[in-house]
Amino acid sequence: DTAVSQTPKYLVTQMGNDKSIKCEQNLGHDTMYWYKQDSKKFLKIMFSYNNKELIINETVPNRFSPKSPDKAHLNLHINSLELGDSAVYFCASSGIIAGVMETQYFGPGTRLLVL
Amino acid sequence: GEDVEQSLFLSVREGDSSVINCTYTDSSSTYLYWYKQEPGAGLQLLTYIFSNMDMKQDQRLTVLLNKKDKHLSLRIADTQTGDSAIYFCAESPASGGSYIPTFGRGTSLIVHP
Repeated sequence: DTAVSQTPKYLVTQMGNDKSIKCEQNLGHDTMYWYKQDSKKFLKIMFSYNNKELIINETVPNRFSPKSPDKAHLNLHINSLELGDSAVYFCASSGIIAGVMETQYFGPGTRLLVL
Repeated sequence: GEDVEQSLFLSVREGDSSVINCTYTDSSSTYLYWYKQEPGAGLQLLTYIFSNMDMKQDQRLTVLLNKKDKHLSLRIADTQTGDSAIYFCAESPASGGSYIPTFGRGTSLIVHP
């Protein structure tokens, strides 16, 4: 079973539309994240949620609104899509390995193309 | 400037060793990671090292940490075409609620026959 899953895998849409990306993790982790990876592969943190509470919100336009209905899900809703929103969006969750060390587990990514 | 820096590309011949380098600036870095991203996929944790270690070996992978110079390297022995991917270095100062790793821009490893 996939540990961190995202849907859809591909999303092609017109400027101005509203779209959502869903993320689910079955690892029992308390913390989940959204990252944006641009065309140059730079990975930038957008949001972090711990137990359904927002703990990190980097300088992301308020057109992006994360929603966590429970600690296994962190969805990303984007309003009024712009060309510059085209990127790959990764969901991740983090948990402890080696007894003390936290690390992240990434979903397969959602490739968003805004036309 | 960036907190974690890597060269963007590395090209090696199949069977040779690959060495991917990374430098970081945060002296409080406690955990250092290497992630691998294959084409069209998400990042996958490859290996990690604690800051109180100098070296870690795991089969074909060797991680070297020079804490004084804040330099981390990943050596892949006997590089195969299946190793072609983007390799991300990441560091984190702590775990728990303040855990957010900082990623480098990734090094694209190209393995040719």
